[in-house]
Amino acid sequence: GAVVSQHPSWVICKSGTSVKIECRSLDFQATTMFWYRQFPKQSLMLMATSNEGSKATYEQGVEKDKFLINHASLTLSTLTVTSAHPEDSSFYICSATNREWNEQFFGPGTRLTVL
Amino acid sequence: GNSVTQMEGPVTLSEEAFLTINCTYTATGYPSLFWYVQYPGEGLQLLLKATKADDKGSNKGFEATYRKETTSFHLEKGSVQVSDSAVYFCALRGSNTGKLIFGQGTTLQVKP
Repeated sequence: GAVVSQHPSWVICKSGTSVKIECRSLDFQATTMFWYRQFPKQSLMLMATSNEGSKATYEQGVEKDKFLINHASLTLSTLTVTSAHPEDSSFYICSATNREWNEQFFGPGTRLTVL
Repeated sequence: GNSVTQMEGPVTLSEEAFLTINCTYTATGYPSLFWYVQYPGEGLQLLLKATKADDKGSNKGFEATYRKETTSFHLEKGSVQVSDSAVYFCALRGSNTGKLIFGQGTTLQVKP
């Protein structure tokens, strides 16, 4: 199957700082990438959908100005958590697909801890 | 709106026991249904899928049948192994959207 990587795998930051998480498709061109958030022992909640070259579409309740998503190329999308606070601590997961496939491929996730 | 409901875990079984994890869904139209598995410390992996009613998805000894009449997609395995210990997520994708809707996940622990 297709491979999706995330970097970093874990990050600890101070409250008020910004953190950038990268999602890369390693062996295919991803026309669409999805960002999810997963709380401990809970399901994945879709945050936003990003199509290459266009603005991300955010799910209801997700703050666009806080979670900045950029999908500037067919192999890279970034999620920036701006002015992070402890309540933003979570596991962030991306997935990627392209127009020809009927399946999303998931990255390994990034554990964010905000102190 | 679309939604997925899974049986609550954790599910604890002895090796070689029979496994069933229930999953029911609510959706308009004809969704595709999926089971994903998340091993400790890893990302989600697609386990199996079914795209239309009465389809049976299977992989690694796991099976699930798309039952439209009962809006269910229960996961089964005849003989579990310790290595099957993981979190299992049922998910659907609506017929008009590429978005995945996940259930809450069921933790399976298999003891030797």
